[in-house]
Amino acid sequence: EPEVTQTPSHQVTQMGQEVILRCVPISNHLYFYWYRQILGQKVEFLVSFYNNEISEKSEIFDDQFSVERPDGSNFTLKIRSTKLEDSAMYFCASKRDLSYNEQFFGPGTRLTVL
Amino acid sequence: AQSVTQLDSHVSVSEGTPVLLRCNYSSSYSPSLFWYVQHPNKGLQLLLKYTSAATLVKGINGFEAEFKKSETSFHLTKPSAHMSDAAEYFCVVRGTSNFGNEKLTFGTGTRLTIIP
Repeated sequence: EPEVTQTPSHQVTQMGQEVILRCVPISNHLYFYWYRQILGQKVEFLVSFYNNEISEKSEIFDDQFSVERPDGSNFTLKIRSTKLEDSAMYFCASKRDLSYNEQFFGPGTRLTVL
Repeated sequence: AQSVTQLDSHVSVSEGTPVLLRCNYSSSYSPSLFWYVQHPNKGLQLLLKYTSAATLVKGINGFEAEFKKSETSFHLTKPSAHMSDAAEYFCVVRGTSNFGNEKLTFGTGTRLTIIP
């Protein structure tokens, strides 16, 4: 059964460093998302992406964040200058098409900023 | 804007007894509602979904949920708990968009503990 994959499973970085979190959505899916979950808190929407552009973003998704689909299979989230409060689990999700309701989630990348 | 409220942050039940995880929603239109489960160190897995068809929705692993518009509720139930049900459960509502890219809004989660 196809699934969303994410790499790495755990990323440790120093404050101020850039990180790139990678996701491979299910191959025939058209809509892509990033969510995050700070430890002990609820899952929060970051950004949605369709047709090679951002469709919607939350207030969390400021200028330090960017997303890209560089090659038709990967979907990346970049944080330019990480802060301590960026430490969280980051989930990628994808959805097949407009008529489909379910978003399929990857296993997540745990980002630790020291 | 739509939102969900999970009424219990932690529920403990004995193995073999019924499970009830409560969720209330707020929405200005007929919502699409979901329950996701997260096992320790795992990703989010869809348990079941309600999208304006039958109000009683059956999901995986014996779970089901009933959409009650009059009570704005979407509680998750299971007749008999199993040890493997121990996990975090999230009630989720889907937003609306003309582009089909509706974001999901999650509740705060309910941690289910199963007592042997």
